[in-house]
Amino acid sequence: QVQLVQSGGALVKPGGSLTLSCAASGFAFSDYYMSWIRQAPGKGLEWISYIGSDGKTKYYADSVRGRFTVSRDNAKNSLHLQLNSLGGEDTAVYFCARLRGGFDYWGQGTLVTVSS
Amino acid sequence: QSALTQPPSVSGSPGQSVTISCTGTSSDVGSYYRVSWYRQAPGTAPKLLIYEVDNRPSGVPDRFSGSKSGNTASLTISGLQAEDEGYYYCNSYRDSYTYVFGSGTKVTVL
Repeated sequence: QVQLVQSGGALVKPGGSLTLSCAASGFAFSDYYMSWIRQAPGKGLEWISYIGSDGKTKYYADSVRGRFTVSRDNAKNSLHLQLNSLGGEDTAVYFCARLRGGFDYWGQGTLVTVSS
Repeated sequence: QSALTQPPSVSGSPGQSVTISCTGTSSDVGSYYRVSWYRQAPGTAPKLLIYEVDNRPSGVPDRFSGSKSGNTASLTISGLQAEDEGYYYCNSYRDSYTYVFGSGTKVTVL
């Protein structure tokens, strides 16, 4: 069955960096667009990025463009999100999701807390 | 990037129908059929209920239906059940290769 297992969340200081990962299994990972979505504590969902199946096309929300970088390794069935120049507004649970029609499968989420 | 507009809450008795609206603009809901709906229980990942305006993934009951008119999409839950409680979010593709979520609606079964 389709599984997306996330890792990498942590407590980081303002201005710091972090890389999140999402390990995919149960489907042909290289055939699908993948996305990152986040949810600040007590708030709604915010789409932040997606990446094409071959890794060449990448798009970002204005709130993270220039600071976050999405990448994938199709040989290892893995998706990554590098977060740089982190601020308090980036504190959130980050979800990876498969994009097919809608976001049809989601990871369990990983918490990133930005605090000194 | 402003969120799509949803009512903060809707409620209904078991067996009734409720409809959640999702209002966007001509840059998103009004121009694309890539509208989807999600339910999220506290502390869990969202679950896809409807994709491409009115399509249900396998396993989603036909009590859930979607539609769109102009800049507004809607999700209708027929035959409301206690298990339908939760937060519901819409999502739409938007110009410039981006996506946007709605503000979220809390559904309460009375």
